Amino acid sequence: KNEVEQSPQNLTAQEGEFITINCSYSVGISALHWLQQHPGGGIVSLFMLSSGKKKHGRLIATINIQEKHSSLHITASHPRDSAVYICAVKNTGNQFYFGTGTSLTVIP
Amino acid sequence: GAGVSQSPRYKVAKRGQDVALRCDPISGHVSLFWYQQALGQGPEFLTYFQNEAQLDKSGLPSDRFFAERPEGSVSTLKIQRTQQEDSAVYLCASSPGGLAGVTYEQYFGPGTRLTVT
Repeated sequence: KNEVEQSPQNLTAQEGEFITINCSYSVGISALHWLQQHPGGGIVSLFMLSSGKKKHGRLIATINIQEKHSSLHITASHPRDSAVYICAVKNTGNQFYFGTGTSLTVIP
Repeated sequence: GAGVSQSPRYKVAKRGQDVALRCDPISGHVSLFWYQQALGQGPEFLTYFQNEAQLDKSGLPSDRFFAERPEGSVSTLKIQRTQQEDSAVYLCASSPGGLAGVTYEQYFGPGTRLTVT
């Protein structure tokens, strides 16, 4: 069973394109995280959301609690954005459930 | 400031050996999480500590896996009698954490890549 589903699994974009990665979840959550993982394993937390929308530079994250859906948008994509983007949700306890990630490649 | 550190970064073990993986969380962080990430997969929850108390160990895959955080700071994940299916990256994360109903950012360590041959 997958409590968290991401789409697409793989995404290739041209530099400058607007990118959207989607996340749907099936459990009750207290927060949703978007994480970035570069080759070699390092994970960086991009956003933590419990409602609405957050923006940081070229990154925007939105969440719709009623629809159990979140999106991560990247505007003006750049090759350095190439990474795996992971959606993770925290249930009302302290367990985290992770999606399998979206592998993004931005081509110059 | 120092982030979460893990050691060793890479570990090769022969099947049947015991291994110990160390996590040094950010100083003062109350919560500590261990995750297992198989190749090409997202991380999967193993266990959670609040200070020295192991509040959730439901993700530990078998009784060969054991985690401790005796003084509420450094944590060790021990795997006994390693099997090939234990090969994965083991990630540790910490967060300020602690207040019921409040969710905090998690800060991840670089992981320990365990290969069991």
